[in-house]
Amino acid sequence: DQQVKQNSPSLSVQEGRISILNCDYTNSMFDYFLWYKKYPAEGPTFLISISSIKDKNEDGRFTVFLNKSAKHLSLHIVPSQPGDSAVYFCAAEALTSYGKLTFGQGTILTVHP
Amino acid sequence: DTGVSQDPRHKITKRGQNVTFRCDPISEHNRLYWYRQTLGQGPEFLTYFQNEAQLEKSRLLSDRFSAERPKGSFSTLEIQRTEQGDSAMYLCASSQWEVLSGREKLFFGSGTQLSVL
Repeated sequence: DQQVKQNSPSLSVQEGRISILNCDYTNSMFDYFLWYKKYPAEGPTFLISISSIKDKNEDGRFTVFLNKSAKHLSLHIVPSQPGDSAVYFCAAEALTSYGKLTFGQGTILTVHP
Repeated sequence: DTGVSQDPRHKITKRGQNVTFRCDPISEHNRLYWYRQTLGQGPEFLTYFQNEAQLEKSRLLSDRFSAERPKGSFSTLEIQRTEQGDSAMYLCASSQWEVLSGREKLFFGSGTQLSVL
């Protein structure tokens, strides 16, 4: 069963506009959530994370929002830049999982100049 | 370069052959993970090591798969009698404890792309 789902396989955005990537999860044991970014021929790189005790975390142009009651999180990128074009993975971790992450399927973001 | 290094980057093999991949983690990291990513999916956890001890194995890791981390440094992942369904990107990661989050922060290598013909 897919415990972490990213229902949009792709997203296309104009440079300078907002990109919103969504993620849903089903496992109530997840208490830490992460976003990774992946360029072709490279491994995923950590972008931003949020603990379940928060509902928002911001780092520069990137903000992650968590809605625990809906089991939903989203990543906002403002303003979007062409260099942001990549595959974005949502991941979740349960307490004491020690780095055992459950990933979504990924969303391909394309930012057009 | 002090990142996670994986070798080879690409491996093409025939069904039934054995293959071995190597991962060199970031030197001060004592946890090492193997993940597998198939086309259109996110990475899936396979196994992890704390130093040389293999502490958890996913049900995805059939008995044809074996991973080792002798002396707690580099790790190898061997697949015996490869099948076409083994075709995937095999990702290695190492981690460091992040005091602020109270979590392990994973750093991934670029992966080994396996194609089984």
